[in-house]
Amino acid sequence: GENVEQHPSTLSVQEGDSAVIKCTYSDSASNYFPWYKQELGKGPQLIIDIRSNVGEKKDQRIAVTLNKTAKHFSLHITETQPEDSAVYFCAASKMAGNQFYFGTGTSLTVIP
Amino acid sequence: DAGITQSPRHKVTETGTPVTLRCHQTENHRYMYWYRQDPGHGLRLIHYSYGVKDTDKGEVSDGYSVSRSKTEDFLLTLESATSSQTSVYFCAISPGLSIETQYFGPGTRLLVL
Repeated sequence: GENVEQHPSTLSVQEGDSAVIKCTYSDSASNYFPWYKQELGKGPQLIIDIRSNVGEKKDQRIAVTLNKTAKHFSLHITETQPEDSAVYFCAASKMAGNQFYFGTGTSLTVIP
Repeated sequence: DAGITQSPRHKVTETGTPVTLRCHQTENHRYMYWYRQDPGHGLRLIHYSYGVKDTDKGEVSDGYSVSRSKTEDFLLTLESATSSQTSVYFCAISPGLSIETQYFGPGTRLLVL
């Protein structure tokens, strides 16, 4: 099955700096890569996703890049704000309806 | 939370007792999933459903069963709860077809003593 690894497990940045979280996957058949943000006591919420036919996607301060050859994808958050503090999860999936394989999460703290 | 409710939100039970968790959706999505979340493991799939009465196992299905008699409801049952099943359980839904996105419910925190 698929194996998704996520690094780092914890990340602290100063407000206004950038944050980068990286994930690798093992199954070359995976073609959909979502990122979720989870705040304390809540369920994961989708913040951005990318499909394997695209190398980069951006939504305001958040961007995701995908390198299919190296089988890794990354989340980039620019101009970080205290409200960005949360746990972030990456995931990989092969097709619609199929299960997601999640990374183990990154706890991001943005220091004011 | 994308029209998903989970009940109960918190439960404390004793080892050996049966427990049923309920997921209810108002989106009429085809796919429904049960995940568990544990420190150091992220989210892991327990069971999923691709239609009424159509279910399949995920990677951590031992000790769990599911049922889906209506599109909107997906039940997760622990036949005889064990302490290793103490976890936070999340339900997710997905439209399927060409749409891969999964939307998560608020979670159920289960403590098995």
